[in-house]
Amino acid sequence: GQQVMQIPQYQHVQEGEDFTTYCNSSTTLSNIQWYKQRPGGHPVFLIQLVKSGEVKKQKRLTFQFGEAKKNSSLHITATQTTDVGTYFCSSAGGANNLFFGTGTRLTVIP
Amino acid sequence: EAGVAQSPRYKIIEKRQSVAFWCNPISGHATLYWYQQILGQGPKLLIQFQNNGVVDDSQLPKDRFSAERLKGVDSTLKIQPAKLEDSAVYLCASSSRQGEVRGYTFGSGTRLTVV
Repeated sequence: GQQVMQIPQYQHVQEGEDFTTYCNSSTTLSNIQWYKQRPGGHPVFLIQLVKSGEVKKQKRLTFQFGEAKKNSSLHITATQTTDVGTYFCSSAGGANNLFFGTGTRLTVIP
Repeated sequence: EAGVAQSPRYKIIEKRQSVAFWCNPISGHATLYWYQQILGQGPKLLIQFQNNGVVDDSQLPKDRFSAERLKGVDSTLKIQPAKLEDSAVYLCASSSRQGEVRGYTFGSGTRLTVV
């Protein structure tokens, strides 16, 4: 399956600071999906990016897909305590099943 | 729309015992997935079903893991015999069409502890 690496593995931010997580692949990705998993919870779908250079926004969250479709980022502006959790990127394999990255665990300090 | 239902929520067993998990996907979702999530890691695909047929089970440890979806709706995942390293959360997910990935809906998972 396709491998996607995420950095950083952990991030602690003060409430109100911005946060960015990066997802990288050595191969071209057909699409990328982002999920959020709250502590003790299950992954929840956030968004899918398909086009080269695509940028999508959801309130304070901005998602980008690289021009070469080998990397992606999730940026959160002015973090809130409700943003706490692990953010996973994932890419579709040959049968359109998803392979998940290692995740970035975000801690927001009030 | 009802979500993906999984049971049990928690399970503790001794090594070498057997265990089974159940999943009922969202109504009408033809594709069903079982993922294993070890603490601190991302979910790892175990098996994918399209209706009642297996699409991908390349990462399923078939010497001890088995899964079925006999009527193309709910599914069971079994481990026999369990090992300590099987301790993980087992997540079931479903999606509406195999060729149109619009995001999976995950169940709450079954947390398995093997002692």
